[in-house]
Amino acid sequence: DTAVSQTPKYLVTQMGNDKSIKCEQNLGHDTMYWYKQDSKKFLKIMFSYNNKELIINETVPNRFSPKSPDKAHLNLHINSLELGDSAVYFCASSPDGYEQYFGPGTRLTVT
Amino acid sequence: RKEVEQDPGPFNVPEGATVAFNCTYSNSASQSFFWYRQDCRKEPKLLMSVYSSGNEDGRFTAQLNRASQYISLLIRDSKLSDSATYLCVVNYGQNFVFGPGTRLSVLP
Repeated sequence: DTAVSQTPKYLVTQMGNDKSIKCEQNLGHDTMYWYKQDSKKFLKIMFSYNNKELIINETVPNRFSPKSPDKAHLNLHINSLELGDSAVYFCASSPDGYEQYFGPGTRLTVT
Repeated sequence: RKEVEQDPGPFNVPEGATVAFNCTYSNSASQSFFWYRQDCRKEPKLLMSVYSSGNEDGRFTAQLNRASQYISLLIRDSKLSDSATYLCVVNYGQNFVFGPGTRLSVLP
C-alpha cells in the first residue's frame, strides 16, 4: 500500500516542452506539498495545498502551476521547461501541517 | 546567514559509536522542529519531531535550545543502517525550511 505515490518516476524531456507530474496520497491528509531538490541536494518547498486552496507559493516561476482535482491529488504542471528545472521533485502530504510524508520523487531531466 | 545551517559532514564513525549532529536556525519565529533522514536517491522520511523539553526515541535523542536557536540529534550505538543524510527542518506558519543535511557513514 503506497501512501504517497508519484508518476512518473523518471521524466526526460527537451527544453520548451510542457509536462506534468502526478501525486496521489491515500492517507486522508488535508495538506499536500511540492518540493524541489536540486543537484546540490537542497530541498525547497514550492507549494502547499490545504483542502484545495493554495497556502504558500515560494516565489517559484509562474511556469509551475499546481492543480488539485481533489483532496487526494496534487499535480504539478510545468510549462516551457528550462535546463535549470532539472531536479528531483517530491510530493508530500501531512495530516496536521507539521509531520510530512514524502512520495518517492520524480527525477526530471531537461535536455 | 542561511535560514537553517548544518555541518555537511561526512561523519564517518565505527559501528557502536555515538555521534551528534547540530543545526542552527535564524528565524526566531520558528515554531516546530524536526529531523528527517534521507537515504541516497530516496525520499526524506520523518525521524522524529523535536520538542522543547527534549525527546528520545530508542537510540535517538533530540534537543532544542530556543534561546540559542539550536537543535541537536544524538545517535547512540550507531548501526550500519543509520548511514544516511540527516536533515534538520524548521517550520513557521505554513513554511518548512530544510537544512542542507549532514551525511553520516557508519563503518563496519
